Amino acid sequence: GQNIDQPTEMTATEGAIVQINCTYQTSGFNGLFWYQQHAGEAPTFLSYNVLDGLEEKGRFSSFLSRSKGYSYLLLKELQMKDSASYLCAVRGGFTGGGNKLTFGTGTQLKVEL
Amino acid sequence: EAQVTQNPRYLITVTGKKLTVTCSQNMNHEYMSWYRQDPGLGLRQIYYSMNVEVTDKGDVPEGYKVSRKEKRNFPLILESPSPNQTSLYFCASSLLAGPRDTQYFGPGTRLTVL
Repeated sequence: GQNIDQPTEMTATEGAIVQINCTYQTSGFNGLFWYQQHAGEAPTFLSYNVLDGLEEKGRFSSFLSRSKGYSYLLLKELQMKDSASYLCAVRGGFTGGGNKLTFGTGTQLKVEL
Repeated sequence: EAQVTQNPRYLITVTGKKLTVTCSQNMNHEYMSWYRQDPGLGLRQIYYSMNVEVTDKGDVPEGYKVSRKEKRNFPLILESPSPNQTSLYFCASSLLAGPRDTQYFGPGTRLTVL
């Protein structure tokens, strides 16, 4: 089965850097995704990792260590609009047609002045 | 504009009254999926489809049906809705061409079953 853990809530200050962690235990691994979701809206894709290391994309970076079952999302130069829920999702092996995503429950990030 | 659309966006219904939530994508994606999102439980997959006439169960399929008669459409059917199906529903689609293929989500349907 799949088990994904991430903190429930985090608070950070505008302009600062925040790191949101995700640990996972899965039977099979074929990539880890980060999505951003504002309240009541659809999740939107942020980043993807399948090999170990850091992927950078503007103010957002994501890191993966497959041996540790660990990923983090790094948000720099925080803005008020970054207040949202951040979802970690693992695509596991060949289940679900090879494209099934198992989601964590999300980390609610609040950015304060 | 590339997008996934869902209708209706909001629906209040009563127990036992059959309903269908439509999902359509204009990106020629092979893979389509339905999720429900509940507080404290995250997004959970209900059903998925890898192509026309190919569908299979996800993690929480009980009480739901789907069909995939055309590539662009993937309706979710609740034959006899119950209050425990009150939830926020998302349809998603993606290509199946490679490992980086990302699932794109529709705007969501908030369903309340009384």
